[in-house]
Amino acid sequence: RKEVEQDPGPFNVPEGATVAFNCTYSNSASQSFFWYRQDCRKEPKLLMSVYSSGNEDGRFTAQLNRASQYISLLIRDSKLSDSATYLCVVTGTHHGSSNTGKLIFGQGTTLQVKP
Amino acid sequence: ETGVTQTPRHLVMGMTNKKSLKCEQHLGHNAMYWYKQSAKKPLELMFVYSLEERVENNSVPSRFSPECPNSSHLFLHLHTLQPEDSALYLCASSSSSLNSPLHFGNGTRLTVT
Repeated sequence: RKEVEQDPGPFNVPEGATVAFNCTYSNSASQSFFWYRQDCRKEPKLLMSVYSSGNEDGRFTAQLNRASQYISLLIRDSKLSDSATYLCVVTGTHHGSSNTGKLIFGQGTTLQVKP
Repeated sequence: ETGVTQTPRHLVMGMTNKKSLKCEQHLGHNAMYWYKQSAKKPLELMFVYSLEERVENNSVPSRFSPECPNSSHLFLHLHTLQPEDSALYLCASSSSSLNSPLHFGNGTRLTVT
């Protein structure tokens, strides 16, 4: 089983639609969770952290379900500019003996918003 | 504007060449990373440096050699690469903390001919 799993999609939605992505993780000790966005041929950029109580940033809402070990990202009122690949990232262990967190990336979910 | 700068943006090299990728971060972070991203594949972690000490070497072939002279700079030295090494190479930095996200540079797109 992969450490972090995402449905690769693509999700094709019309402008204005609401779309949701899920991501499951295997390590129950995982502590931090993030969503990144990656545009074609560009670097990943942090979209938002995911907090236990859930959090919202404009049209984007992230949720964490520790019992079922999944996180979700909801995008409301989709824009053409939302078209990208969304990466789920989970961390919970350290690199070796360092304090640096070991981030595990999912393969990403591709969203295509159509006019 | 990016706090993590990578050069060059694009690189084409033959299998017998030696080249180096450079990364610089201006975020005051003390951990730096190299990732490889091939087409249609997830990010693959290659190396991690924390406080200038290598703390992760993810079974990367020896034709890739990292160097971290200080907490702001990271290099990836390349020699005798193979065509399958063609990919996007991403540098990232973070604070040395379990819960810190990564900040990526804009990557070097490498083509090995």
